[in-house]
Amino acid sequence: AQTVTQSQPEMSVQEAETVTLSCTYDTSESDYYLFWYKQPPSRQMILVIRQEAYKQQNATENRFSVNFQKAAKSFSLKISDSQLGDAAMYFCAYRSVLLNTGNQFYFGTGTSLTVIP
Amino acid sequence: DTAVSQTPKYLVTQMGNDKSIKCEQNLGHDTMYWYKQDSKKFLKIMFSYNNKELIINETVPNRFSPKSPDKAHLNLHINSLELGDSAVYFCASSGGLAGGVTQYFGPGTRLTVL
Repeated sequence: AQTVTQSQPEMSVQEAETVTLSCTYDTSESDYYLFWYKQPPSRQMILVIRQEAYKQQNATENRFSVNFQKAAKSFSLKISDSQLGDAAMYFCAYRSVLLNTGNQFYFGTGTSLTVIP
Repeated sequence: DTAVSQTPKYLVTQMGNDKSIKCEQNLGHDTMYWYKQDSKKFLKIMFSYNNKELIINETVPNRFSPKSPDKAHLNLHINSLELGDSAVYFCASSGGLAGGVTQYFGPGTRLTVL
């Protein structure tokens, strides 16, 4: 089974500053999807950003962008101009494109982000 | 318009009771999931159904039984509840022509077993 590792259990950032959350994964597949989800205190899981492995261009969604390094199996999330509402638990996730995996997602253990006013 | 809904959002019950959590998605997805999130926020897949067929069945006590009456619904029934079952349970869905690859989550059900 694929594994997803988030080595930073906790991170903090000053409001308006930039922070990068790390994620690495282990797979033998050449094509797959990667995601970042955000879980604020409300506990709702919210999709932040998605990356297709076949795309070389890094995905961007407003203040959120990723640094996808396929060879290194690294998928970090950069949050620019951090806002108080960005405070949440962030989960990195992997999904295979193979039909026999049952559309299973593999989640990391999460990084808790604190935003300091 | 709620995409993935779960009821109830909170459930407090005594040890030994039987309870159910209902999940419905109106996204036209063909795969639905149940996850358990423990107190350390770790997300653990429990079950996955694709078009009403059980696809993923992780190592979960057989006191937990999922039921999918149709591809828009995946309910979770728990028998003989134990203290260790206290957690947040998330339903999610993905896939099919409508949904693509992204997984969408319900709001979660916080289960407390006393």
